[in-house]
Amino acid sequence: QVQLQESGPGLVKPSETLSLTCTVSSGSISDYYWSWIRQPPGKGLEWIGYIYYTGSTNYSPSFKSRVTISVDTSKNQFSLKLSSVTAADTAVYYCARTNILTGYYFYFDYWGQGTLVTVSS
Amino acid sequence: EIVLTQSPGTLSLSPGERATLSCRASQIINSGYLAWYQQKSGQAPRLLIYGASSRATGIPDRFSGSGSGTDFTLSISRLEPEDFAVYYCQQYGSSRTFGQGTKVEIK
Repeated sequence: QVQLQESGPGLVKPSETLSLTCTVSSGSISDYYWSWIRQPPGKGLEWIGYIYYTGSTNYSPSFKSRVTISVDTSKNQFSLKLSSVTAADTAVYYCARTNILTGYYFYFDYWGQGTLVTVSS
Repeated sequence: EIVLTQSPGTLSLSPGERATLSCRASQIINSGYLAWYQQKSGQAPRLLIYGASSRATGIPDRFSGSGSGTDFTLSISRLEPEDFAVYYCQQYGSSRTFGQGTKVEIK
């Protein structure tokens, strides 16, 4: 079955850009949407945005001004960049396969294990 | 924007009991966009239900979802020890995609 693995720095300084990569294995990145979701310590889940394998994106309004999600189909990877981070961006970041059929369904069926990113100087 | 409110915040039950979790949307949503997840401590969420009532692959039939419009329910017919966890509902269409969660704890 599809496996996802997040990777990237666990510590980012305030005002800098958080960068994470999700590697998809045991399956192709093509024909699906792929999301980033985060969870601040002790809190609930927040959807950040998704990308289709073609490169089209949709971002949550809460993050739209400072997020970029990109895809590299040759490496079966997609990436997250979140700029101007503050301590409030400290969270476990998950990547997830996203099933979307407009008007019919939207859900996340495969998730990575998550990676904790701490924003601190 | 659409806000999902889950209740109760915590549900204290014994193994073998039935659990009923509520998810209420601030406005009518497409039931196809309503999903439920289970999250255990230190783990990623696991998809349980999508399209409000369709069980995901491998999910036991003691889990069921129902509802439409603004009111949705996740039911667990007989709680097993491994079912004690936090449950989230999720919709698509606004920045507040997930509800705040319901914790099902052992009584």
